[in-house]
Amino acid sequence: GENVEQHPSTLSVQEGDSAVIKCTYSDSASNYFPWYKQELGKRPQLIIDIRSNVGEKKDQRIAVTLNKTAKHFSLHITETQPEDSAVYFCAASEDNFNKFYFGSGTKLNVKP
Amino acid sequence: EAQVTQNPRYLITVTGKKLTVTCSQNMNHEYMSWYRQDPGLGLRQIYYSMNVEVTDKGDVPEGYKVSRKEKRNFPLILESPSPNQTSLYFCASSLFGANVLTFGAGSRLTVL
Repeated sequence: GENVEQHPSTLSVQEGDSAVIKCTYSDSASNYFPWYKQELGKRPQLIIDIRSNVGEKKDQRIAVTLNKTAKHFSLHITETQPEDSAVYFCAASEDNFNKFYFGSGTKLNVKP
Repeated sequence: EAQVTQNPRYLITVTGKKLTVTCSQNMNHEYMSWYRQDPGLGLRQIYYSMNVEVTDKGDVPEGYKVSRKEKRNFPLILESPSPNQTSLYFCASSLFGANVLTFGAGSRLTVL
């Protein structure tokens, strides 16, 4: 089965700095890569996703890049704000089998 | 309001006492799935369903059962709960498989 690894497990940045979270996957058949944000005590919510036919996607301060050859994808958050503090999960899925495999999560702390 | 509703939100039970966690969605989604969240392990998929009467195992199905008799409902059944099933459980749905997941608020289960 698929194996998704996520790094780092914790990340602390100063407000205004950029944050990068990286994930690798093992199954080249995976073609859908979402990122979820989970605030303390809340449910995970999608912040951005990318499919394998696209190399990069942006939404305001958030971007995701995908390298299919190397089997890794990354979340980039620019101009971080205290409200970005949360746990972020990457995931991989594949159209035909429809299983979801999540990374172990990154706890991001943005210091004011 | 479009949502995924799961109940109960909190439950303390004893080993061997059968329990059911209900999940219902009002978005006419084809795909529904269950996850457990444990510290350091991220979200792990237990079971998923592509449509009514179609269910399949995720990564950690042992000790769990599901059914999908109606499109909107996808209950998770623990026939004989054990302490290692103490966890935070999330139900989620999406329009189709490899797509944006909408999560329920979570059910925290403790098995003594």
